[in-house]
Amino acid sequence: DAGVIQSPRHEVTEMGQEVTLRCKPISGHNSLFWYRQTMMRGLELLIYFNNNVPIDDSGMPEDRFSAKMPNASFSTLKIQPSEPRDSAVYFCASTPGGVLPLHFGNGTRLTVT
Amino acid sequence: RKEVEQDPGPFNVPEGATVAFNCTYSNSASQSFFWYRQDCRKEPKLLMSVYSSGNEDGRFTAQLNRASQYISLLIRDSKLSDSATYLCVAQAKNAGNMLTFGGGTRLMVKP
Repeated sequence: DAGVIQSPRHEVTEMGQEVTLRCKPISGHNSLFWYRQTMMRGLELLIYFNNNVPIDDSGMPEDRFSAKMPNASFSTLKIQPSEPRDSAVYFCASTPGGVLPLHFGNGTRLTVT
Repeated sequence: RKEVEQDPGPFNVPEGATVAFNCTYSNSASQSFFWYRQDCRKEPKLLMSVYSSGNEDGRFTAQLNRASQYISLLIRDSKLSDSATYLCVAQAKNAGNMLTFGGGTRLMVKP
């Protein structure tokens, strides 16, 4: 079975550019989570969706960050404009109805120069 | 202060050694606890849940102390393949059942 699929695996961009990260959850999983991981702050929840509806976005750091889930099989996390401090690994995870465990994707390693 | 705190390590141990990690949590409403394992440049994966009575899975033993608000992970007979970062996770109803991850403890098992 395919797991959570994220793209791209790596993204290098210059500050000020728009960055779009993509995620395809496991089929049948209706809860989707976006996390960010850095050495300084560890793994932080940015936002999560249940049945394509954003439930809690209190972890989204700034208005520069936005996330959408137009359908059950696709979500995006957008950063516009990007800044060097956004450099991190961004993970998407999904679960069936919020039931653990979380299934993480391989992550997107973002570097903003 | 972080909600879930761990010693970042690294813990350097020889093969065959027994090693233990502790993790403390500050939200007294936390109900469920887990240990995740994360290999270098990989995603976290569930290692085991932590039950009130303590639980064992092969060489791994997890324990919970609610009074002192800490959980532990014991690894016996360490293998080279155990080298990874171990993330402590707490889940609380008053946090919308969301998972709060600790910063992780890095373990390096040497031959």
